[in-house]
Amino acid sequence: DTGVSQNPRHKITKRGQNVTFRCDPISEHNRLYWYRQTLGQGPEFLTYFQNEAQLEKSRLLSDRFSAERPKGSFSTLEIQRTEQGDSAMYLCASSLGGVNEQFFGPGTRLTVL
Amino acid sequence: QKEVEQNSGPLSVPEGAIASLNCTYSDRGSQSFFWYRQYSGKSPELIMSIYSNGDKEDGRFTAQLNKASQYVSLLIRDSQPSDSATYLCAHWGETSGSRLTFGEGTQLTVNP
Repeated sequence: DTGVSQNPRHKITKRGQNVTFRCDPISEHNRLYWYRQTLGQGPEFLTYFQNEAQLEKSRLLSDRFSAERPKGSFSTLEIQRTEQGDSAMYLCASSLGGVNEQFFGPGTRLTVL
Repeated sequence: QKEVEQNSGPLSVPEGAIASLNCTYSDRGSQSFFWYRQYSGKSPELIMSIYSNGDKEDGRFTAQLNKASQYVSLLIRDSQPSDSATYLCAHWGETSGSRLTFGEGTQLTVNP
């Protein structure tokens, strides 16, 4: 399978814990995006990488959220001190260069108790 | 005004009918438009992209773009029960960086 992959697929955690998600983009894609989606809403942009450089972050992204893409391949998204409001589907997408067709992975569903 | 607005659902059509999904956007600098299909509990799947005014057809799907009216639509011909899903409209433009901005989606149900 050469699509975008994400792990874990589901994560249940207690409020205050830290969680980390991983995304592996389509191999030749140099752009990687993180979105968050809650029930009944469209995906909401969080951050974007071109190769290893994080070029854009949403103003809505609190300081508890951090993302990395150290070698320009896979990316991780960490949420520190999780809150119940962080419960959502976290989606990763990738695209090739200037072509803006973004392809999504299966997502990681986070539940914060 | 929301950046992307989609016709409120849910939309219900009989099998074999044409389903029409509509989307308006506020950013006149928008250049690229996308339709994603999302089944319940799954991630969005890209089904159509359109960049210039006019129609673009792909199988049973036709996307229509009118930049002057800031309007994009998706027609699904010969609707099938397997088309039942939420359809998300998204756009990309110079003012939005590299992000896609999504509408809230329209839930479509195709009844056998």
